[in-house]
Amino acid sequence: DIVMTQSPDSLAVSLGERATINCKSSQSLFYSSNNANYLTWYQQKPGHPPKVLIYWASTRESGVPDRFSGSGSGTDFTLTISSLQAEDVAVYYCQQYYSIPLTFGGGTRVEI
Amino acid sequence: EVQLLESGGGLVQPGGSLRLSCVASGFTFSNYWMSWVRQAPGKGLEWVANIRQDETEKYYVDSVKGRFTISRDNSMNSLYLQMDSLRVEDTAVYYCVRGARDSRYAFFDYWGQGTPVTVSS
Repeated sequence: DIVMTQSPDSLAVSLGERATINCKSSQSLFYSSNNANYLTWYQQKPGHPPKVLIYWASTRESGVPDRFSGSGSGTDFTLTISSLQAEDVAVYYCQQYYSIPLTFGGGTRVEI
Repeated sequence: EVQLLESGGGLVQPGGSLRLSCVASGFTFSNYWMSWVRQAPGKGLEWVANIRQDETEKYYVDSVKGRFTISRDNSMNSLYLQMDSLRVEDTAVYYCVRGARDSRYAFFDYWGQGTPVTVSS
């Protein structure tokens, strides 16, 4: 099974400041045949189901503000919120879809 | 508008059974892989199982193999999860989710609101 490790577990960021969340996989998520990293980022607000933000490690889902960006390749990935807004308070999860079982990181709580 | 509506959750004793249902609308259900994902109270997300459009492929996380069965009825736009031999550690909110790719290797672009399952004596 691919183990997904997120860091930090939580972080507090001032409004307008940058938030950076890391996700490390126990094996590469890069598939050379299509030159793609099988990594997604979700945002989950209290009392709500998760919402997809980024897929293929760096492709922003339609409707997601451009302050959210994803980067990385292979085993190391990053979600960046360039200028934190109050509505970004949430828990963020990475997920690999390279192999079964599909697995998630443990989550990172972002607070103001 | 895509909607996924789960039902069937509740309180059950260890060793008992439950059947979860999910009714889909707003998209052609028979064209998509579907999954169940669960979230224990105050914990993270865990993928449970997925199923191909024609039911010819089904995959499970090891912890539920032999106890849970995923199925679907495309004529009813419905997804199911039969849960037998339930354990305390199966306590969670169970989400019905749509696969965003035509593959078992998928992320999830639509989620239901979830149905809670509590396994306790």
